[in-house]
Amino acid sequence: AQSVTQLGSHVSVSEGALVLLRCNYSSSVPPYLFWYVQYPNQGLQLLLKYTSAATLVKGINGFEAEFKKSETSFHLTKPSAHMSDAAEYFCAVSAEDQGAQKLVFGQGTRLTINP
Amino acid sequence: DGGITQSPKYLFRKEGQNVTLSCEQNLNHDAMYWYRQDPGQGLRLIYYSQIVNDFQKGDIAEGYSVSREKKESFPLTVTSAQKNPTAFYLCASSIPRPGDGANVLTFGAGSRLTVL
Repeated sequence: AQSVTQLGSHVSVSEGALVLLRCNYSSSVPPYLFWYVQYPNQGLQLLLKYTSAATLVKGINGFEAEFKKSETSFHLTKPSAHMSDAAEYFCAVSAEDQGAQKLVFGQGTRLTINP
Repeated sequence: DGGITQSPKYLFRKEGQNVTLSCEQNLNHDAMYWYRQDPGQGLRLIYYSQIVNDFQKGDIAEGYSVSREKKESFPLTVTSAQKNPTAFYLCASSIPRPGDGANVLTFGAGSRLTVL
């Protein structure tokens, strides 16, 4: 069984500051890892995914995440926050031998950007 | 543009009433999913369907029902048996690759159900 823990349900940063959203996973098999973003009253859209290729994954809107097996982490970062980054972010985990119906989501982190 | 259309966006229901949420996709995806989202709980899978005329229960199927008569449509009925139906409901689709955990989900904009 797999699980995901997102550390911090709310994160607040100033515009222009570093964004760091934390995600730790648990998986008995090599995982596939995803970050999705949800803007208010909208569905989720994919930011980036890790599927066992490069450990540093670049996504849309300047976000990137690094897979660290030794730390079982997949933290999401962006060097400089923009007001438009305010949203809720979800980390999710699946595995190579599973379909999308087995995708497990974290509880989400709401990112607030202060002007 | 291809995508997923969910309707209605907002829905109010009296206790004891069944309601049906619509989900239509024009992405030609075979697989479709319904998730429930509650604050601080992430997304939980209600039902999914990998092919027309077939569907399976997810983690929280009690009090819900679905049908998949057409590839592009996957309506969800919230029945009176669902004890706490107030939530945000998300429909998603994907190209199913059995055994491929790298499947990416495409989501609709959601339907917010409030029970009065």
